[in-house]
Amino acid sequence: GENVEQHPSTLSVQEGDSAVIKCTYSDSASNYFPWYKQELGKGPQLIIDIRSNVGEKKDQRIAVTLNKTAKHFSLHITETQPEDSAVYFCAARDSSASKIIFGSGTRLSIRP
Amino acid sequence: NAGVTQTPKFRVLKTGQSMTLLCAQDMNHEYMYWYRQDPGMGLRLIHYSVGEGTTAKGEVPDGYNVSRLKKQNFLLGLESAAPSQTSVYFCASMPDSGANVLTFGAGSRLTVL
Repeated sequence: GENVEQHPSTLSVQEGDSAVIKCTYSDSASNYFPWYKQELGKGPQLIIDIRSNVGEKKDQRIAVTLNKTAKHFSLHITETQPEDSAVYFCAARDSSASKIIFGSGTRLSIRP
Repeated sequence: NAGVTQTPKFRVLKTGQSMTLLCAQDMNHEYMYWYRQDPGMGLRLIHYSVGEGTTAKGEVPDGYNVSRLKKQNFLLGLESAAPSQTSVYFCASMPDSGANVLTFGAGSRLTVL
């Protein structure tokens, strides 16, 4: 089955700087890769996603890139703000299209 | 429109006790999921359902059972709780296989002593 690895587990950046979180997946048949943000005491919420037929997708300050050959994808947050502090999860939808498997999460802290 | 509602939000159990977590969604979603969240382990899929009356095992199903008797409800049961099941449990739902966005509940924190 699908396995998703995520790093780093913690990341601290100065406000205004960029943050990058990287993930790898194992199932070459996976074709959908979402990113979720979890704020303290809440359930995760989708912030951006990318399908396997696209190499990059951008939404304001966040962007996701996908390298299918290498089976890795990354989340990029530019001009970080205090409200970006949260736990971020990458995920992959497995080839059965029924399961979404998550990475281990990255706790992002934005220093003022 | 409440979305995904989990009950209870908090529970403390003794080893060997049983309990059921209830997940209810009012969005008419076909797919429902139970995940557990542990520090450093991310969200791990316990069981899932692709429709009323169906269930399937996820990554970490041992020690748990589930039922989907009604489309809107997905129950997670612990027959004999163990300290290793101390975790935060999240339920999520998705419209169907053509959709991709999971809607999560707020979580249920379970402590097993």
